Amino acid sequence: SQTIHQWPATLVQPVGSPLSLECTVEGTSNPNLYWYRQAAGRGLQLLFYSVGIGQISSEVPQNLSASRPQDRQFILSSKKLLLSDSGFYLCAWRDRGPTRQYFGPGTRLTVT
Amino acid sequence: QKEVEQNSGPLSVPEGAIASLNCTYSDRGSQSFFWYRQYSGKSPELIMSIYSNGDKEDGRFTAQLNKASQYVSLLIRDSQPSDSATYLCAVLNSSASKIIFGSGTRLSIRP
Repeated sequence: SQTIHQWPATLVQPVGSPLSLECTVEGTSNPNLYWYRQAAGRGLQLLFYSVGIGQISSEVPQNLSASRPQDRQFILSSKKLLLSDSGFYLCAWRDRGPTRQYFGPGTRLTVT
Repeated sequence: QKEVEQNSGPLSVPEGAIASLNCTYSDRGSQSFFWYRQYSGKSPELIMSIYSNGDKEDGRFTAQLNKASQYVSLLIRDSQPSDSATYLCAVLNSSASKIIFGSGTRLSIRP
């Protein structure tokens, strides 16, 4: 069966510090991968998605970036965090075709 | 116009009653539709998927799809306090590249 991991679970970072969040998927190959952010009390905002190694599509211009160095690894990064980057970051995967999407447990980021 | 629209609620339903959640979408070419449940502080959990017009039942949950009206709904029968959560409607876009989420409806089941 497929499993998706995210770490860390929680993170408190000062403004201006760098960020690296990692997501890995087990039990599948060549999945579509997604990064979402959910601000407190708000809906899911799609940040990036990837259909293959090295292929990244950005949905929202901001100070975040994403990379997919391996088939089942997706990384979200920032060089300098802003207060507005606080939120619940969710990684998700989906097999090819019109099939279902599953979320990881999420990382709660607080920028102070 | 938002791509996927839901009433934010809160929707309050007595225990044992039917909860009805609604969603409309703008991409007429969409073919796949999903309902997720999200408890406070947790990640969304997929509870239903539907791909063709009509009803699809799974236990106490029934998803309904009307592509002509661009409308999706979720019925929860015999509502339980454990059903209290935010329900997210999601639609796979017509190019099948990404799933777009509504902002969610907060459901509260009162004992």
